[in-house]
Amino acid sequence: QQPVQSPQAVILREGEDAVINCSSSKALYSVHWYRQKHGEAPVFLMILLKGGEQKGHEKISASFNEKKQQSSLYLTASQLSYSGTYFCGTETGNQFYFGTGTSLTVIP
Amino acid sequence: DTGVSQNPRHKITKRGQNVTFRCDPISEHNRLYWYRQTLGQGPEFLTYFQNEAQLEKSRLLSDRFSAERPKGSFSTLEIQRTEQGDSAMYLCASGAWSHNSPLHFGNGTRLTVT
Repeated sequence: QQPVQSPQAVILREGEDAVINCSSSKALYSVHWYRQKHGEAPVFLMILLKGGEQKGHEKISASFNEKKQQSSLYLTASQLSYSGTYFCGTETGNQFYFGTGTSLTVIP
Repeated sequence: DTGVSQNPRHKITKRGQNVTFRCDPISEHNRLYWYRQTLGQGPEFLTYFQNEAQLEKSRLLSDRFSAERPKGSFSTLEIQRTEQGDSAMYLCASGAWSHNSPLHFGNGTRLTVT
């Protein structure tokens, strides 16, 4: 039931763009995105509620394709502070699952 | 809003001992989740409370694990007869009544079983 994310890891130079994908085998009604830095708790980035909806947070945006049961997170002009592990999260019944995670490293 | 608070931050215990962790959610939040996270892995769902009712418990959770949330306020997670495999970060998260609202995480309790 855990959503699958791709890629597992990515290394970027400052200023480059990245896309992180989240795919579920179950129907998605909403998708959350969180970022976790090493040794810290996950921090909420954004939530998408409807199919095709796109939201943004500074230079980070996301899309949600309800029919395909997929969501993608877009990071543009990456900054050093973007480094961390990104998780998508989805709710099934009374369980809230996190995806497999994508480790993002931004280097100067 | 003081955020989600978890205590203790670190716990070292010997195999076979019992341990209890506490989570104080954001005061107006009625949803509360417990997760376990090991190095390099995503948070693994353990259990969910809506107010004082425990509505969901992961099948992965053995009988040695129990959680409570008396009066729908703070929550405790107890592990009995700890095993080395229980070593992990235990995270608590709370959220407002709407399932479309974000989860706010505490800093976790790191358990080491020797």
